[in-house]
Amino acid sequence: AQKITQTQPGMFVQEKEAVTLDCTYDTSDQSYGLFWYKQPSSGEMIFLIYQGSYDEQNATEGRYSLNFQKARKSANLVISASQLGDSAMYFCAMREAIQGAQKLVFGQGTRLTINP
Amino acid sequence: NAGVMQNPRHLVRRRGQEARLRCSPMKGHSHVYWYRQLPEEGLKFMVYLQKENIIDESGMPKERFSAEFPKEGPSILRIQQVVRGDSAAYFCASSPLPASDTQYFGPGTRLTVL
Repeated sequence: AQKITQTQPGMFVQEKEAVTLDCTYDTSDQSYGLFWYKQPSSGEMIFLIYQGSYDEQNATEGRYSLNFQKARKSANLVISASQLGDSAMYFCAMREAIQGAQKLVFGQGTRLTINP
Repeated sequence: NAGVMQNPRHLVRRRGQEARLRCSPMKGHSHVYWYRQLPEEGLKFMVYLQKENIIDESGMPKERFSAEFPKEGPSILRIQQVVRGDSAAYFCASSPLPASDTQYFGPGTRLTVL
């Protein structure tokens, strides 16, 4: 079974600083996908970024980038120039294939707080 | 293009009552996933459905929980005889294809059992 580990229950960062949220994963599949979602206090799940296991380049989306280290089985999220609105829960997830469909396995999450 | 819609957003039930949660996937999406989030935890997969078919229900509790996705209308997650431990946020996600890279989530339904 696949597993996602997020070892940082909470992080506190000063506004405008960069922040790295850790995520390690465990799988025996050769083909897999890794996702990061943001969950603000309002509760919705917002898709941030995706990395495929065969992608050679690290994924980037605006201020978000994914530091993908396949040999170490890590997929850390980097947020550059943090903003107050980045305060939220962040979840790392892995795609697990079931009969061709893709269910997601989530980590426990990291609560990020940006201080002014 | 409307996103995934869920209703109600908040639902309060007393122990023993039934809860019905509805999910309308994005237009053109025929694959629906239900997840449950207990307080202070990540989301846990419950069930995957296509129109009129349950493909994988390995994450569903064996009793009291059921799901459907009829040919017409929204997907329904039904919880019979609710207990306090059912209090959680229930999220629905949809994708256009089974192997689609991204699942799009609805805003969730927060169920509170008194």
